[in-house]
Amino acid sequence: GDSVTQMEGPVTLSEEAFLTINCTYTATGYPSLFWYVQYPGEGLQLLLKATKADDKGSNKGFEATYRKETTSFHLEKGSVQVSDSAVYFCALIPVTGGGNKLTFGTGTQLKVEL
Amino acid sequence: DAGVIQSPRHEVTEMGQEVTLRCKPISGHDYLFWYRQTMMRGLELLIYFNNNVPIDDSGMPEDRFSAKMPNASFSTLKIQPSEPRDSAVYFCASSLPSPRWDEQFFGPGTRLTVL
Repeated sequence: GDSVTQMEGPVTLSEEAFLTINCTYTATGYPSLFWYVQYPGEGLQLLLKATKADDKGSNKGFEATYRKETTSFHLEKGSVQVSDSAVYFCALIPVTGGGNKLTFGTGTQLKVEL
Repeated sequence: DAGVIQSPRHEVTEMGQEVTLRCKPISGHDYLFWYRQTMMRGLELLIYFNNNVPIDDSGMPEDRFSAKMPNASFSTLKIQPSEPRDSAVYFCASSLPSPRWDEQFFGPGTRLTVL
């Protein structure tokens, strides 16, 4: 079945450091790919998405590129802030047969320190 | 516009008791999802509705769990009887009709503790 694999956390960075959170997926065809963010005590929020190969999703300085050849959707940010501390979830919706059911990865906690 | 509203935010109950979680989706959204989040299992989709009709309940763990959506603005998730292993954060989410259904808007969650 469809699945998403994320790097283990927590990831601890200093403010202004470069961020990469790895995400790879297993799915048939070309699923839609998403990054959601969960701030402490809150529900998840959509951060960015990409719906076809080579698309780049971007929002709030975060970017991720849909790489079909490596089945990856790694999240990057050039300069993180303390306010980016949260849990980040990679997710997919299959291209067919899955309705709009999101399959989530296990989440990666990011801690940004001054 | 208000986001997805869930109540209660916290619930502590004893094993064997009935628990009812409530959700009000965003107005105009016709998909509603119930998720459970635990450290061990991460985020799991329990059930989702489209236009108040249950579409996929394959994630509901067992018969002790039931969900209803009597109208477009209200849904409940009921656990009866509750067990300690049901302790988790339960999220409700909603989304717009196709083609914008792929962005889900999550509520703040209900933290359930079963003693």
